[in-house]
Amino acid sequence: DVKVTQSSRYLVKRTGEKVFLECVQDMDHENMFWYRQDPGLGLRLIYFSYDVKMKEKGDIPEGYSVSREKKERFSLILESASTNQTSMYLCASSKTGMDSPLHFGNGTRLTVT
Amino acid sequence: RKEVEQDPGPFNVPEGATVAFNCTYSNSASQSFFWYRQDCRKEPKLLMSVYSSGNEDGRFTAQLNRASQYISLLIRDSKLSDSATYLCVVDDSGGYQKVTFGIGTKLQVIP
Repeated sequence: DVKVTQSSRYLVKRTGEKVFLECVQDMDHENMFWYRQDPGLGLRLIYFSYDVKMKEKGDIPEGYSVSREKKERFSLILESASTNQTSMYLCASSKTGMDSPLHFGNGTRLTVT
Repeated sequence: RKEVEQDPGPFNVPEGATVAFNCTYSNSASQSFFWYRQDCRKEPKLLMSVYSSGNEDGRFTAQLNRASQYISLLIRDSKLSDSATYLCVVDDSGGYQKVTFGIGTKLQVIP
């Protein structure tokens, strides 16, 4: 079974801190994604990656960056955390293909105070 | 106009009822369609893909209408365990899974 592991379930950080969210998948998937989910707004794509060292902006990349140095690991970085980045962050991975589903990690609830 | 639109609900239905959700999408070039299920405080999980010919998985039936640009999910004989949020998902990236999520429809099945 595919496993996508996010490093923290809950995280509390202060405004201005640099924050790292880590995601690891164990099924050799090419594609990896970072979403945030907020009430009333649904899931929104922050960044995605189709291959090692490759990254593409999603719909809301401002204030975020990513790193993919190894195929199995995709990191989301908040360069200077702000209160409006308080959210649930979900990592996902998939194989390339028309019917390939997204496999999600169980999420990181980030609170920025 | 949102790319993928769903009625957020909630839909409150009694056990055993049949309930249907619709979802409309704006990009006529969209190629793949899915329904995901998300339980409270959990991650989304694939419920089923949606094919042009329609498809069924037990009590669940999904339909695609390309002409009117909507997909639907029908749940028959609702169970308490069906209570969840159902997310409509549309892929127009040619299989790279850069998908667009609807906001989700919340279903509450009542005893």
